[in-house]
Amino acid sequence: EAQVTQNPRYLITVTGKKLTVTCSQNMNHEYMSWYRQDPGLGLRQIYYSMNVEVTDKGDVPEGYKVSRKEKRNFPLILESPSPNQTSLYFCASSFRSGGAQSYEQYFGPGTRLTVT
Amino acid sequence: TQLLEQSPQFLSIQEGENLTVYCNSSSVFSSLQWYRQEPGEGPVLLVTVVTGGEVKKLKRLTFQFGDARKDSSLHITAAQPGDTGLYLCAGRGETSGSRLTFGEGTQLTVNP
Repeated sequence: EAQVTQNPRYLITVTGKKLTVTCSQNMNHEYMSWYRQDPGLGLRQIYYSMNVEVTDKGDVPEGYKVSRKEKRNFPLILESPSPNQTSLYFCASSFRSGGAQSYEQYFGPGTRLTVT
Repeated sequence: TQLLEQSPQFLSIQEGENLTVYCNSSSVFSSLQWYRQEPGEGPVLLVTVVTGGEVKKLKRLTFQFGDARKDSSLHITAAQPGDTGLYLCAGRGETSGSRLTFGEGTQLTVNP
């Protein structure tokens, strides 16, 4: 089954304790992204990757790191989490469809992170 | 940064009613997508529109891309409780590559 998987689904941690949220896709997609979703703010892109070893900042990259060593995996790293990073996080992968016009994006199930 | 404004933010209607959700921007988008998200899950793509004035239908859902490619609408005919969810529009700018800008979403509740 084609899918994007994230782990863990739920995480409660304390300020300053480094954590990694994993993301994996089995669709051989080139593009992957991380988003956070907050009430009243919608989905905001944190980082994205256009291919292996190619990453770039999204709209809210502060406090986050990513890596893309393999095509299928795109982990999100919080080196020193803070309470304002409490949020619902989504990983997504996409491919270009319909020529150069659109990218169909597939989302993972989400990771709910609480930083106390 | 390109912004997408969705309206209304919340919509509660009775089964059988029709509704329209709007997605507006001052920027031009090369394509626009609509997603639906249910609690505890990630957004799921419903449709992509790429041509100004384009209309796409998905059963009782009708999607339209504005002629100037700055706005879009989602119309649901005879809404059903199963249509309940968060509807998100997302646009790709003409120079933003694969990056998408999302609207804040419209939370739709259809009451039986």
